[in-house]
Amino acid sequence: DTAVSQTPKYLVTQMGNDKSIKCEQNLGHDTMYWYKQDSKKFLKIMFSYNNKELIINETVPNRFSPKSPDKAHLNLHINSLELGDSAVYFCASSPSYSAETQYFGPGTRLLVL
Amino acid sequence: AQSVTQLDSQVPVFEEAPVELRCNYSSSVSVYLFWYVQYPNQGLQLLLKYLSGSTLVKGINGFEAEFNKSQTSFHLRKPSVHISDTAEYFCAVSRSQEKLTFGTGTRLTIIP
Repeated sequence: DTAVSQTPKYLVTQMGNDKSIKCEQNLGHDTMYWYKQDSKKFLKIMFSYNNKELIINETVPNRFSPKSPDKAHLNLHINSLELGDSAVYFCASSPSYSAETQYFGPGTRLLVL
Repeated sequence: AQSVTQLDSQVPVFEEAPVELRCNYSSSVSVYLFWYVQYPNQGLQLLLKYLSGSTLVKGINGFEAEFNKSQTSFHLRKPSVHISDTAEYFCAVSRSQEKLTFGTGTRLTIIP
């Protein structure tokens, strides 16, 4: 009965490849997020979707493209992977865009070689 | 825009000793404040939050935090730590309908 799940948990790939990370939440929440945690543990928001609509798009290269097929899913596709993309990517959800509490997934550890 | 400062990147504490993890924020308006914990190789879990009302907030696992508006602080405390408290702790701030802004984290290491 995992609340926010991500696949894969680990991803090792070569520079230049294209990869996707999937996120699903079974909490019935309207809003979903993607965060990037770098090697120094710094967490920064990348995107936020509310009811499948893009709300927040921080200064993220356009190689990163989120897709929300429905309220329960927010996938992250990354084109032409670079070494600097190596990080842990966290998905999160909240009941609504104005809700205070976000629930985080377990993270996807991406290593670009 | 708001920001969060966690001055201590690492805090070693002996088991059963008290601990305080410091968090200061800057914002020109009222904010919501949070502490999240990240256990090794896991996602973030909410420890506690301050939205309004009583300035002393109690969370899970025996943690509590006090909101101090004059000092713009939201320090996290526990009177007696356990080995299982070893983790990374993140302070975060948001305003309604705005994104969460995280501090850089404090690694709490419990010494047996």
